[in-house]
Amino acid sequence: GENVEQHPSTLSVQEGDSAVIKCTYSDSASNYFPWYKQELGKRPQLIIDIRSNVGEKKDQRIAVTLNKTAKHFSLHITETQPEDSAVYFCAAGGGSNYKLTFGKGTLLTVNP
Amino acid sequence: DVKVTQSSRYLVKRTGEKVFLECVQDMDHENMFWYRQDPGLGLRLIYFSYDVKMKEKGDIPEGYSVSREKKERFSLILESASTNQTSMYLCASITGTGGNEQFFGPGTRLTVL
Repeated sequence: GENVEQHPSTLSVQEGDSAVIKCTYSDSASNYFPWYKQELGKRPQLIIDIRSNVGEKKDQRIAVTLNKTAKHFSLHITETQPEDSAVYFCAAGGGSNYKLTFGKGTLLTVNP
Repeated sequence: DVKVTQSSRYLVKRTGEKVFLECVQDMDHENMFWYRQDPGLGLRLIYFSYDVKMKEKGDIPEGYSVSREKKERFSLILESASTNQTSMYLCASITGTGGNEQFFGPGTRLTVL
């Protein structure tokens, strides 16, 4: 089955700096790579996703890049703000059963 | 607006009890999932269902079963609760027609004493 590794497990940045979270996956059949944000005490919510036919996708301050050959994808957050503080999960999957395998999460802390 | 609800936010049960966790979605989604979330382990898939009465094991199905008698409702059952099943349980649903986003419920924090 699919295996997703996520690094780092914790990340602390100063407000205004950039943050990068990296994930690798093992199953070359995976074709969908979402990123979820989970604020303390709340449910995970999708913030951005990318499909395997695209190398990069951007939405305002967040962007995701995908390298299919190396089987890794990354989340980039620019101009970080305190409200970006949360746990971020990457995931891989997208087969006919829509099953996703999640990474273990990254706790991002943005210090004012 | 998609709505996924779970029957309880907090639940305390005793070892050996049978526990039912219920999840309801109001968007006519075909696919529903049960995860457990533990610190440092992320979200791990327990079971999923792609249609009424259809179910498949996820990555950690041991000690759990599921029921999907109606499209909108997906139940997770702990046949005989144990302390190592103390966790946060999250339900999610997704339409089977094009979209891939999984919509999560608010979670049930289960404590087994």
